[in-house]
Formats: sequence, structure tokens, C-alpha cells
Amino acid sequence: DTAVSQTPKYLVTQMGNDKSIKCEQNLGHDTMYWYKQDSKKFLKIMFSYNNKELIINETVPNRFSPKSPDKAHLNLHINSLELGDSAVYFCASSPRTLNTEAFFGQGTRLTVV
Amino acid sequence: AQSVTQLGSHVSVSEGALVLLRCNYSSSVPPYLFWYVQYPNQGLQLLLKYTSAATLVKGINGFEAEFKKSETSFHLTKPSAHMSDAAEYFCAVIPGGYSTLTFGKGTMLLVSP
Repeated sequence: DTAVSQTPKYLVTQMGNDKSIKCEQNLGHDTMYWYKQDSKKFLKIMFSYNNKELIINETVPNRFSPKSPDKAHLNLHINSLELGDSAVYFCASSPRTLNTEAFFGQGTRLTVV
Repeated sequence: AQSVTQLGSHVSVSEGALVLLRCNYSSSVPPYLFWYVQYPNQGLQLLLKYTSAATLVKGINGFEAEFKKSETSFHLTKPSAHMSDAAEYFCAVIPGGYSTLTFGKGTMLLVSP
């Protein structure tokens, strides 16, 4: 019973391509996130959604577009991929909007060549 | 603005020795504090959390952490290291009233036989 699941786990693609990463949580949480982990393992919030509504967008290029079709799903679409987009992308969810821990998926390792 | 500082990018211990991973935070309001563990090619798993109740917090796998407001610290300890504890450990903070985690840069724990 995977709580937060992401697909694919690995993604290798060429510069300029468009790709999507899918995320689903079965925890019944209202809030979902995308985090980016760079090559030095630093984790930074990208987006936060509460009940399908965008609540945080942290200075992310507009080539990145999250979409939440329902509160259990938060997908990430990336246009015109660049070398610098190579990273591990984590989806997470939390039971409340404020003051609470997040539960993370296994990550998607994106490599742009 | 909130921030987290983890002292030491790498900590090496022998199996059976005390584990001490240091975390200091800054927050303009009372914080919520967390420790996560990341095993290779895995997502982040919550070890423990401080949410303004008891200052000594016990977590999974024998880890505990103590919140010290006067020192703005939340150090992670384990009395006796096990080989399976080798992983990357992240301290994170949410200032009260906020919604997203701010992570430290991580500390890699190395355990030798």
C-alpha cells in the first residue's frame, strides 16, 4: 500500500523535450507538494496545492506547470527541458496546510542529455 | 525568514557508538521541527517531529531529538549506531503558521564495522 507514488522513477530525455511526472497519494490528504533535490542533495519546495488549488509557487520557471485534477493527484509537466533541470523531483502530501510534516514519494530522477 | 543549519556534511561513527547529528534553526515564530532520513535512491522518511509538546522527542529506529529553545537547536541522537543507520539525514523547520518545510543541507551518516 504505497502512500505517495510517483511515476516514472527514472526519466532520461533530450534537451528541448516536454515531459510529465505523475503523483498520486492514497492518504486522504488535502495538501500536496513538489520538491526538487539537486545534485548536492539540497531540497527546495517548488509548488504546493491545497484541495486542487495552487497556494505556493516558489520562483520556478514557467516551463514547469503543475496540474491537480483532484486532491489525490498532482502532476508536474515540464516544457522545453534544459540540462539544469536534471534533478530528483519528489512529490509529497500532508494532512493539513499548516504546521505539519510531509509524506514523500520515492522520487523521480530526471536526467536531461 | 526561517533557515536550518546542519553542522557537518558527513559524520562517521563506528557501529555501537553514539550518533549525534547537529541541527540549528532560525525562526521568527515558534517552530515545528522535523528529522527525515533518506536511504540511497529512496524518498524521505519521517524519523521524528517536535510540535511544541514535550521537548524530548522519540522517533523510529531508536532515534531521539531534544528541542532547546535557548540554543535554537534540535540535535538528533541515537545511543548505539547500527550499520543500517547509514543514510542521509535532513533537519527541517516550519515556522508556526506556515505551510512548507525548509530543509537543511543534509548530513551523511557513515557507519563502520
